[in-house]
Amino acid sequence: ETGVTQSPTHLIKTRGQQVTLRCSSQSGHNTVSWYQQALGQGPQFIFQYYREEENGRGNFPPRFSGLQFPNYSSELNVNALELDDSALYLCASSFIAGGTDTQYFGPGTRLTVL
Amino acid sequence: QKEVEQNSGPLSVPEGAIASLNCTYSDRGSQSFFWYRQYSGKSPELIMSIYSNGDKEDGRFTAQLNKASQYVSLLIRDSQPSDSATYLCAVNSISNFGNEKLTFGTGTRLTIIP
Repeated sequence: ETGVTQSPTHLIKTRGQQVTLRCSSQSGHNTVSWYQQALGQGPQFIFQYYREEENGRGNFPPRFSGLQFPNYSSELNVNALELDDSALYLCASSFIAGGTDTQYFGPGTRLTVL
Repeated sequence: QKEVEQNSGPLSVPEGAIASLNCTYSDRGSQSFFWYRQYSGKSPELIMSIYSNGDKEDGRFTAQLNKASQYVSLLIRDSQPSDSATYLCAVNSISNFGNEKLTFGTGTRLTIIP
């Protein structure tokens, strides 16, 4: 157990809908990173939040957005869902922003878009 | 060229033997290297981190790093059936947007044969 929690565990949405995924970071960590993992692929970096601001972003369109709250928990919002958004969404917490610090993953949210 | 490359496998190893997993990366500026284990349907779990050239041992696991060759490997000694999983190599790198991020390979599926 890493101490990182995510909700919900599973989610089914239809194309065009919007979804919000939630993550609570490990105690003592101030940085949250979000990843998308399609079946058979490695996790792809979506963005990272540090001190409530976006600290970096991968090759994802603006309809992927996020928030970080003062308690370091975080949300991932995806608008106008597409079929290809079906994936496992992972959040990872760390103490140092960037990629150098060890990141600990939550259990993930499995999103299915129909 | 992919930023982080791994042989997707499957790699089959007899129980008790040494499993050798390899990873190459393209960003010469990378400083942090991680191995994660991912069981089917679960999230990635940190196995090892390595930052300096050479070997780092932790129990049955040994990580090896050669920055000149841009190569990192993971050895698993005395392989057990419970080691059967997908092993993800992750490397810190600079994204197209200039921020530092963690980049994953697609993973190597390892099967330990009893």
